[in-house]
Amino acid sequence: QKEVEQNSGPLSVPEGAIASLNCTYSDRGSQSFFWYRQYSGKSPELIMSIYSNGDKEDGRFTAQLNKASQYVSLLIRDSQPSDSATYLCAVSNSGYALNFGKGTSLLVTP
Amino acid sequence: GAVVSQHPSWVICKSGTSVKIECRSLDFQATTMFWYRQFPKQSLMLMATSNEGSKATYEQGVEKDKFLINHASLTLSTLTVTSAHPEDSSFYICSARALRAGLGETQYFGPGTRLLVL
Repeated sequence: QKEVEQNSGPLSVPEGAIASLNCTYSDRGSQSFFWYRQYSGKSPELIMSIYSNGDKEDGRFTAQLNKASQYVSLLIRDSQPSDSATYLCAVSNSGYALNFGKGTSLLVTP
Repeated sequence: GAVVSQHPSWVICKSGTSVKIECRSLDFQATTMFWYRQFPKQSLMLMATSNEGSKATYEQGVEKDKFLINHASLTLSTLTVTSAHPEDSSFYICSARALRAGLGETQYFGPGTRLLVL
C-alpha cells in the first residue's frame, strides 16, 4: 500500500509567521512530489512541484525534499489569512496516478 | 498555461437520470486524465484513470458500468454518471496530466462539478 501521510491539523499560525507543512511517503520509488492548495468548496490548485533533493523556492513558498528520509515539506513565509486552506501533498512514481495525502488544514489568524 | 475546464459546474438531477460531465485541457494535450470524487470534509478519492483512445482503469470499488468514462481526444474526457442516485451526490473533479520532458509529470485540476441528485 503506497501511503502519503499528513497531519490533518488544523495548524494555526499568526499572520506574518512561517507555516510549516509536512508530508511523509512510503513508496521509495516515488519521483515527483507536489503541493496543492484547496480552498473550501474549490478544486485543488498546484502550488509547487519538486523532483530532486533539496529546496525549491517560489515567492513565499519553499518546498523541501529529502528522499532518503522520504519526507517532503512546504514552508510558507509571511503567512497571510488568504493562505488559510487545506494543503494536499501528492506523490507520484513516474507513469502512475498521483497519490494524495488527506491534507493539512492551515488557519492563519490576523 | 495548463488550464483545465469542466462543464457543467453545477448540476441538479432527478434520481434515475444520467449526467454527463466534460473535462477539457484548454492549452495542452493530455494523454491521461483522472477523475476524482470528494465528499464534504473528506479527501480526494481517485475514481479512474482515463487514457486517450483506450479503456479507463477504475479504482477498486468504483463501478465501471455506473461511471462511464470516455477519452475520445487528447483534450477531452467525459464522465457519465448513469442512473444517478442521491448517494452519488458529490463534488467530481477531473485532472489532466501535462508531460514535461525531463521534469516528471504535473497534474492540473479542473474547477470541479457539483452533482446533486434529488
